[in-house]
Amino acid sequence: GPKVLQIPSHQIIDMGQMVTLNCDPVSNHLYFYWYKQILGQQMEFLVNFYNGKVMEKSKLFKDQFSVERPDGSYFTLKIQPTALEDSAVYFCASSLEQGNSGNTLYFGEGSRLIVV
Amino acid sequence: GDSVTQTEGLVTVTEGLPVKLNCTYQTTYLTIAFFWYVQYLNEAPQVLLKSSTDNKRTEHQGFHATLHKSSSSFHLQKSSAQLSDSALYYCALNYGSSGNKLIFGIGTLLSVKP
Repeated sequence: GPKVLQIPSHQIIDMGQMVTLNCDPVSNHLYFYWYKQILGQQMEFLVNFYNGKVMEKSKLFKDQFSVERPDGSYFTLKIQPTALEDSAVYFCASSLEQGNSGNTLYFGEGSRLIVV
Repeated sequence: GDSVTQTEGLVTVTEGLPVKLNCTYQTTYLTIAFFWYVQYLNEAPQVLLKSSTDNKRTEHQGFHATLHKSSSSFHLQKSSAQLSDSALYYCALNYGSSGNKLIFGIGTLLSVKP
């Protein structure tokens, strides 16, 4: 099936530093998402992105977070500066369409971020 | 608020026996679709089943689920569990005006024993 690739799979970073999580979505998909999963909790929606713009973000998407996809390259989640509570697995997802058809999201394997 | 509840954190079943994973939900939004995602060890979550029609059975890979809006449930079942079914199973609902925002349950780990 369609694959979403995430780089890196794991990263340990000092609190206060910047981190960029990279996502290579399914090639013909147009909508992109980040979800956050803290250990032992459910995956939670962070943000969705279309046509170069953030469409919607949750309260978890703090001011320190930003997303972009310059010129069709990786869809990135940047956290600057990082905080201890940012430690989690971040899942990228993409979909072909959105709207009222309940289109399927395809997920990557996740990037495990540990902030120390 | 909106939520998806999976009551069992771990379900252990013997190979060949039936299995049922529970999922109930609560939402005030116009809900578009319901999903079961499965995540095998070291792999990405992938969609297993999807439904948006009340009281209609949906099947895939031997699993089935029926959305019951009257009881706010979307339980996942299989008549004969296989060792390869061992994985983490997430129930999720898709809601919201912009679509494709998923609310996930916490997940149920299914362990199938020989």
